[in-house]
Amino acid sequence: GPKVLQIPSHQIIDMGQMVTLNCDPVSNHLYFYWYKQILGQQMEFLVNFYNGKVMEKSKLFKDQFSVERPDGSYFTLKIQPTALEDSAVYFCASSLHNNQAPLFGEGTRLSVL
Amino acid sequence: AQKVTQTQTSISVVEKTTVTMDCVYETRDSSYFLFWYKQTASGEIVFLIRQDSYKKENATVGHYSLNFQKPKSSIGLIITATQIEDSAVYFCAMREYSNNRIFFGDGTQLVVKP
Repeated sequence: GPKVLQIPSHQIIDMGQMVTLNCDPVSNHLYFYWYKQILGQQMEFLVNFYNGKVMEKSKLFKDQFSVERPDGSYFTLKIQPTALEDSAVYFCASSLHNNQAPLFGEGTRLSVL
Repeated sequence: AQKVTQTQTSISVVEKTTVTMDCVYETRDSSYFLFWYKQTASGEIVFLIRQDSYKKENATVGHYSLNFQKPKSSIGLIITATQIEDSAVYFCAMREYSNNRIFFGDGTQLVVKP
């Protein structure tokens, strides 16, 4: 079936550096999401994106965070600069309609040292 | 405010039995969507089943079914004939019609033993 792909699966960076997490959503999907999960705990909503715009974001989506999907390519989450508390697994998800259950990628584990 | 609560942290059952996982939610919207996902040991998140608030009939997909009790704001997940490979963390989630956020509960760890 259709899959959401996330690249890379694991990223290790030093605190203060910039990191970009890449998501390749299902090709015909229109709604995109990023979630953050720490140590297998609750999935926490960060942001959703539709038609080239951020629709909603949570308090966790700090000023250092940004998302974009230039020209229908990867849907990216950029963190600049990174902080220790950004260490987590970041999940990308996408759906065709906003009332559908999004399909999730396998996550990118971000380790900020 | 939106909130999804799963009070069961962990459940252990013997395979081939039936298990019910609880979930209650809070919302002021009259229309909303409820979802159950599972997260496997590898971290993969898999969508299982959904219930739309306007539907009275409980959803069923394979050996998953839902016990939707709208007056109690409750959406329990029932797994019949459990298998070892059903062992995972199960997340309940909700989206209100008025916004695009999907909120998740804390998850329930299910262990299915032989």
